[in-house]
Amino acid sequence: NAGVTQTPKFQVLKTGQSMTLQCAQDMNHNSMYWYRQDPGMGLRLIYYSASEGTTDKGEVPNGYNVSRLNKREFSLRLESAAPSQTSVYFCASTSTGGQPLNTEAFFGQGTRLTVV
Amino acid sequence: LAKTTQPISMDSYEGQEVNITCSHNNIATNDYITWYQQFPSQGPRFIIQGYKTKVTNEVASLFIPADRKSSTLSLPRVSLSDTAVYYCLVGMNAGNNRKLIWGLGTSLAVNP
Repeated sequence: NAGVTQTPKFQVLKTGQSMTLQCAQDMNHNSMYWYRQDPGMGLRLIYYSASEGTTDKGEVPNGYNVSRLNKREFSLRLESAAPSQTSVYFCASTSTGGQPLNTEAFFGQGTRLTVV
Repeated sequence: LAKTTQPISMDSYEGQEVNITCSHNNIATNDYITWYQQFPSQGPRFIIQGYKTKVTNEVASLFIPADRKSSTLSLPRVSLSDTAVYYCLVGMNAGNNRKLIWGLGTSLAVNP
């Protein structure tokens, strides 16, 4: 049972390069998320997908795009990387919570991205 | 959006009980309280969740007073492996996480 799998684990990019972070979950969850975590700051939501075929901006979406390829996969793309995007990126998923039921989030191991 | 306040850091020793308190004065009626644990170089991991009174699982207990303006995560008999950052979150998950605000958490150091 893999849970949430992210690739790659580490990446170094030059300013202006593009790349896609991949995320897949095998728990049949409807909702998936991308966060970034920076020193001295809490996790910040970049984009989320409440269900297959839908995506919405989170707190810090600028410079990123996402694709919910199918129910399992949610990718994050940096079209033109900038040093400010140096961070640790986490993908997460939850089952559909509904109200008032709340659900726990499952996180991947993270991708450590450095933009030079 | 409900914000939370928790201590930046705590120190403890192996075998002790650790209580981490989180304040959330503007918690809404439908908000749940959720705690996560994060080890270095790993993603956060769910510990426990509650709405009111007391919740206990195999890892921790969560105490929530009647006014729900605070909550206390209790870790019984901590070990070195409990050294981690603990996050308190308040909000509704309800199919999306956009209403959850992650603070800096409490960095717990367990000493031998």
